[in-house]
Order: sequence, then C-alpha cells, then structure tokens
Amino acid sequence: AQSVSQHNHHVILSEAASLELGCNYSYGGTVNLFWYVQYPGQHLQLLLKYFSGDPLVKGIKGFEAEFIKSKFSFNLRKPSVQWSDTAEYFCAVISSASKIIFGSGTRLSIRP
Amino acid sequence: DGGITQSPKYLFRKEGQNVTLSCEQNLNHDAMYWYRQDPGQGLRLIYYSQIVNDFQKGDIAEGYSVSREKKESFPLTVTSAQKNPTAFYLCASREDRVEKNEQFFGPGTRLTVL
Repeated sequence: AQSVSQHNHHVILSEAASLELGCNYSYGGTVNLFWYVQYPGQHLQLLLKYFSGDPLVKGIKGFEAEFIKSKFSFNLRKPSVQWSDTAEYFCAVISSASKIIFGSGTRLSIRP
Repeated sequence: DGGITQSPKYLFRKEGQNVTLSCEQNLNHDAMYWYRQDPGQGLRLIYYSQIVNDFQKGDIAEGYSVSREKKESFPLTVTSAQKNPTAFYLCASREDRVEKNEQFFGPGTRLTVL
C-alpha cells in the first residue's frame, strides 16, 4: 500500500536558521507530490507541488522542494526561516485513481 | 466567491448517535475527500469520490458512510459503529487535471462525542 513518511514530528529552530523537512513515499509509479502548510487556526493551504519537469520546485514564501526519484523523497527546504513560519507542514502524494495520502505532519516551532 | 464550506464548525453528540457532517463546494470540482485529523497522526483518508454517484473507501472507512448525489455536496455520516469518533474532520475538493490537481480544504468540523 502506498504511504508517506515524515520522520520529523517536531522541529524547533531559531530565526534565520535553515530548514529541511523530510518526506519519503512508497509507490513505484508516477506520482504527484505536494507540501501543505497549516498555520495556527487556519485552513490547510498549498505551499508547492510537483507533477513533472524540473525536480526542484519553488513555492510560496521562499520554500522549495526537491523530488529525488531514486530516493523516493520530496524534502522541503527554506534557507532562512522566520517566526511566521511556525506551523504544521504536511507532505502528500497522489498516485492513482485520485487517492491522496498525507504524511503524519511535522510541527515547526521558530524561536524569535 | 468560490470555496468549500463545512458546517457546523463545532458539533457535540451523545455516544451511540449517528451524526452527519456537511461539505459543500462551488468550485465545480469533480473529486471530493473526507479526512480526519488527530494530533501526531496527520490527515487520514476516510472516503473519497471522483465523480457523482461514485465513492471509494479510504484507509479508515469503518464506522463512516458517505453519499455523492450532487457534484457540489459530499456529506459524511459518523455512525455509532465508529469506535473513536471525537476528532477534527476536514473536507477537500480537487479539479482532476494534471496541472491543477491540488486539493482545496474547508475550515473543518470539530466533532466531540460525549
């Protein structure tokens, strides 16, 4: 069965530190990959997505992610985090038949 | 003003009662989804529907039922058979095209079973 793993459950960083959140998926076919963010008290919203082409994808608010097919990974990165990046981050994959699976989420806390 | 609405925002029910959560979208999306969100477990897929009058079980469908009689609506019933129904429930919809296939989420319904 397809699955998505986010190994970091809670990450705590200082402002201006660099960020990398891990995401691995298990599915051998063609996938579309997503990162969503949920700010405190707000809806889930899309950060970025990959469906084909350049494996380095840039999203909103300075985030980017790299699709590495050989590693089944789609890690999220940001060179310098801000206090306003405090949120929960979810990786998701669509494989076949419109089924979308989410990872367990990573809570990011930024120290001012 | 397009979007997804879920009602009510908070819902309380007694144990043993069925309860139906509403989800409506005016985005003209074909696909709709129900997830439950529990701390530390992310979003788990309950049911999804790719088209009117058709739906499939997700990973945790036991104790839930859905219907898709209209494109705009995808109500979720939490039955008395669901062993742990207290949770935050999220509805989403998606336009089923490769370049526009991200999901849009509603604000959620927090269900508490007393």
